[in-house]
Amino acid sequence: KAGVTQTPRYLIKTRGQQVTLSCSPISGHRSVSWYQQTPGQGLQFLFEYFSETQRNKGNFPGRFSGRQFSNSRSEMNVSTLELGDSALYLCASSLGDRVFGNTIYFGEGSWLTVV
Amino acid sequence: GNSVTQMEGPVTLSEEAFLTINCTYTATGYPSLFWYVQYPGEGLQLLLKATKADDKGSNKGFEATYRKETTSFHLEKGSVQVSDSAVYFCALVSSGGYNKLIFGAGTRLAVHP
Repeated sequence: KAGVTQTPRYLIKTRGQQVTLSCSPISGHRSVSWYQQTPGQGLQFLFEYFSETQRNKGNFPGRFSGRQFSNSRSEMNVSTLELGDSALYLCASSLGDRVFGNTIYFGEGSWLTVV
Repeated sequence: GNSVTQMEGPVTLSEEAFLTINCTYTATGYPSLFWYVQYPGEGLQLLLKATKADDKGSNKGFEATYRKETTSFHLEKGSVQVSDSAVYFCALVSSGGYNKLIFGAGTRLAVHP
């Protein structure tokens, strides 16, 4: 079955602009989470959605937001982009119906460069 | 708070050498533990996982045992190949943490012929 699909794969934006990234989870998965990966900070959790509800949120400013649709697809948005937002943004999905032992699968990521 | 500490890299080995990448964690309760691998320019792939103490996760010749007494989850492989060159991440999901993965800093492995 198809894996986690993220679009776009690569994008370049200018400081002050906003960006929307999209994620389609594995079929049947109801939990979608987002991570930011940078050389300096490593992999950091942004937020997790389950059945359209944000269930968990990382320590990021309010410029970072997300949502999940009824078909479990998710989007994340970053407004007023800063140079430091340049990163690989990874989406992950899992069944999410129980706390323990869920296998979490990642997409290929969206590479965002802010200039 | 919950955290994961990995040995710093890079780790450089010759083909067929034995690999160990150390990982220790701090967490309340009983976390689930994972190893992920990232090849250049790609996302993360789940390598193996363990959900309770003394569980051994294994995949593609890699193994790791959940040791609660030492709060460790060291990754091992008996004979590495050039194709194993990648960055390896140890991670946990705390009990009650839903699907929030907490990652170590990653360890880069380079295997030479």
